Amino acid sequence: QKEVEQNSGPLSVPEGAIASLNCTYSDRGSQSFFWYRQYSGKSPELIMFIYSNGDKEDGRFTAQLNKASQYVSLLIRDSQPSDSATYLCAVNEGDSNYQLIWGAGTKLIIKP
Amino acid sequence: DAGITQSPRHKVTETGTPVTLRCHQTENHRYMYWYRQDPGHGLRLIHYSYGVKDTDKGEVSDGYSVSRSKTEDFLLTLESATSSQTSVYFCAIAYKDSGNTIYFGEGSWLTVV
Repeated sequence: QKEVEQNSGPLSVPEGAIASLNCTYSDRGSQSFFWYRQYSGKSPELIMFIYSNGDKEDGRFTAQLNKASQYVSLLIRDSQPSDSATYLCAVNEGDSNYQLIWGAGTKLIIKP
Repeated sequence: DAGITQSPRHKVTETGTPVTLRCHQTENHRYMYWYRQDPGHGLRLIHYSYGVKDTDKGEVSDGYSVSRSKTEDFLLTLESATSSQTSVYFCAIAYKDSGNTIYFGEGSWLTVV
């Protein structure tokens, strides 16, 4: 069964520090990798996606992908209390560009 | 804003009654999805559609049916609601022009009593 694994947390990080969120996946055919943020009572919203090995930066967010290790991570620099949320990792099914496999999410708490 | 509207946003219904949730999109996307999200399970795909009258089952389709008679509308029906179907339901669409990225509606909170 194809799976995406995330530590459920909560992960507690001091304000201003770097938050590191990790995700592993089982489907070696996956080519697209996504990070979503979900505030309590709200729908998931896309933070960023990554397709190629290496790093992709967008503002305070950096996604890192290592296909050989089947590992994708999200770094949040200068963490703010507003970053407190659940972060969902998703990867596409290897035989479909339109189906995603979802992790259960990591709850992140930024402490002032 | 992905142009997705879900209705109703909140509903309380009794066990055994039929319930229909509506998802409406304004941007002519081909792929639409219905997910449910429950504590401890994350997002689970119920059904999806890849065009008008073209639908397929997801991992938790039992007890649910869908219809898509127009590109813009994707309906999810619980034929006879059960308490186990109490959940938050998210409709989503796939943006082909941004790597098939999935965007979600605001959600429909359903309570079956």
